[in-house]
Amino acid sequence: GNSVTQMEGPVTLSEEAFLTINCTYTATGYPSLFWYVQYPGEGLQLLLKATKADDKGSNKGFEATYRKETTSFHLEKGSVQVSDSAVYFCALQNSGGSNYKLTFGKGTLLTVNP
Amino acid sequence: DSGVTQTPKHLITATGQRVTLRCSPRSGDLSVYWYQQSLDQGLQFLIQYYNGEERAKGNILERFSAQQFPDLHSELNLSSLELGDSALYFCASSGIAGAQETQYFGPGTRLLVL
Repeated sequence: GNSVTQMEGPVTLSEEAFLTINCTYTATGYPSLFWYVQYPGEGLQLLLKATKADDKGSNKGFEATYRKETTSFHLEKGSVQVSDSAVYFCALQNSGGSNYKLTFGKGTLLTVNP
Repeated sequence: DSGVTQTPKHLITATGQRVTLRCSPRSGDLSVYWYQQSLDQGLQFLIQYYNGEERAKGNILERFSAQQFPDLHSELNLSSLELGDSALYFCASSGIAGAQETQYFGPGTRLLVL
């Protein structure tokens, strides 16, 4: 079945540091890939997505590239801010059949210090 | 604000009781998904409805049931509650039930079973 593995946290960085959160997946076919973010006490917000190989999703300075050869979708940001402190979830969605559920990784807690 | 609303925000109840969680999807969205977020299991898909019909089932217990009404709002019913049912329950909606469709999440209902 489908699965998502993302790096265990927590990750603690200083403001303006470079961020990478690794995400790899196992799936049949050609899934769509997503990064969601959960701020403290809130629901999940879509951060970015990519629907086919070599697509790059980007939003708010965050980027991730869909790498089919390495089955990866690593999240990067060049310069993090305190306001980026949150839990980040990598997720995949089936491309076929009738079940378009999201399969999530366990989440990575990011703390950015001033 | 994703446009998905969930009520109540918090719910505290006792073991053996029954509760109903409510979700209103974004205007125009036909598909509703329910997910459970717990510390030990992470984010797990429970069930999906599309335009009033059940479309897919995930790791949903027999004590749990859901439905989607003609106005497209959905309810998740949890009965014979156990301590282990304490979790954050999210509803998500999408326009159709297709691949590559972004799911937009509500703020969640936090259930505490005492």
